[in-house]
Amino acid sequence: GDKVKQSPSALSLQEGTNSALRCNFSIAATTVQWFLQNPRGSLINLFYLVPGTKENGRLKSAFDSKESYSTLHIRDAQLEDSGTYFCAAEPSNNRIFFGDGTQLVVKP
Amino acid sequence: GPKVLQIPSHQIIDMGQMVTLNCDPVSNHLYFYWYKQILGQQMEFLVNFYNGKVMEKSKLFKDQFSVERPDGSYFTLKIQPTALEDSAVYFCASSPDSNQDTQYFGPGTRLLVL
Repeated sequence: GDKVKQSPSALSLQEGTNSALRCNFSIAATTVQWFLQNPRGSLINLFYLVPGTKENGRLKSAFDSKESYSTLHIRDAQLEDSGTYFCAAEPSNNRIFFGDGTQLVVKP
Repeated sequence: GPKVLQIPSHQIIDMGQMVTLNCDPVSNHLYFYWYKQILGQQMEFLVNFYNGKVMEKSKLFKDQFSVERPDGSYFTLKIQPTALEDSAVYFCASSPDSNQDTQYFGPGTRLLVL
């Protein structure tokens, strides 16, 4: 979307390596969410963030509201991490604005 | 760009009553989704619908929930009977040709169960 810019649009990683996905916002986001689209198309929530960081296993996410961006770090990438990752930003009015997604492929 | 509409934008009902949330998806889209977001919490997947059938549902999609899209009209989420914990914003989404396409989200229906 034009309010949430995700980069890169596509990414290929070797198994075991690290990388980061990024979202830049042109709106004043109060919270950020990251999702992984499963093989059936459903968006499964990975993180819900106010400004700060959260970690869950090999995933870590950060949200800087002042600089208007969020990152999703993947450590020790595994084959099952492959999929499309979406970030979404919420301003204060309960709307949700999604990025266009990053298609991640992890190769053996 | 393509727009998904949701009707109504707000709904207040008494616990135990039935409620139907309506989604007008993007024309010619084939895949439909409902998501639920309780105030101050993350948005959670409820159900995924294609070709007249539920393809996937989460554990949040209780027995009291049902979805349908009769004759290509609104894609509906019905809750019968409602419970207090059903109070949330319900987002509808649709995608065109594949379940890996970008999903287009509606503005949400804010449901308050009293």
